[in-house]
Amino acid sequence: DTEVTQTPKHLVMGMTNKKSLKCEQHMGHRAMYWYKQKAKKPPELMFVYSYEKLSINESVPSRFSPECPNSSLLNLHLHALQPEDSALYLCASSQPRPGNEQFFGPGTRLTVL
Amino acid sequence: QKEVEQDPGPLSVPEGAIVSLNCTYSNSAFQYFMWYRQYSRKGPELLMYTYSSGNKEDGRFTAQVDKSSKYISLFIRDSQPSDSATYLCAMRDSGSARQLTFGSGTQLTVLP
Repeated sequence: DTEVTQTPKHLVMGMTNKKSLKCEQHMGHRAMYWYKQKAKKPPELMFVYSYEKLSINESVPSRFSPECPNSSLLNLHLHALQPEDSALYLCASSQPRPGNEQFFGPGTRLTVL
Repeated sequence: QKEVEQDPGPLSVPEGAIVSLNCTYSNSAFQYFMWYRQYSRKGPELLMYTYSSGNKEDGRFTAQVDKSSKYISLFIRDSQPSDSATYLCAMRDSGSARQLTFGSGTQLTVLP
């Protein structure tokens, strides 16, 4: 099973709302990632968790707050977002060794009004 | 100059054609090379994964890596309309265990 699942599929929120994106994998992977993808652009790395600890934060604004409750779950908490934050948010997972391929989820399409 | 260059297309071919997609890169430390297929409004799907130089074949897909030229290719034989998607190359070095460097993606349309 090479599946990464993400919920919700679509999310519309106002700039004052608080919402969360969820990601789950059952492949035994110990590295999990959040990416942001704008239309016709490649994914941009936001955060990396390795063994449930945050290892990379690519200078992401604090209105995005990641959380890794256990080795299978990854959350992204959203608060006070801006319209320019509207994008496809992708979760991925891999084994935390060099070269191990990343498997992506289907993404959450976020619209900020 | 970007670390990874990929022609964004769009590329349109007739059904049954052989498709060649390419990326060039500048970082000689890249050791691991991947091709992802991404359908519109979906997540990227890993198609091919290659370590160092050489060829890898999987069904209608062949990935080639030429490290001496810093050039990778993905060939699709007998292309089908269902192959219409954006193809992203991605690569990483052996030292950075986490980060992929992506090309900008090539949009492919296979016409029936």
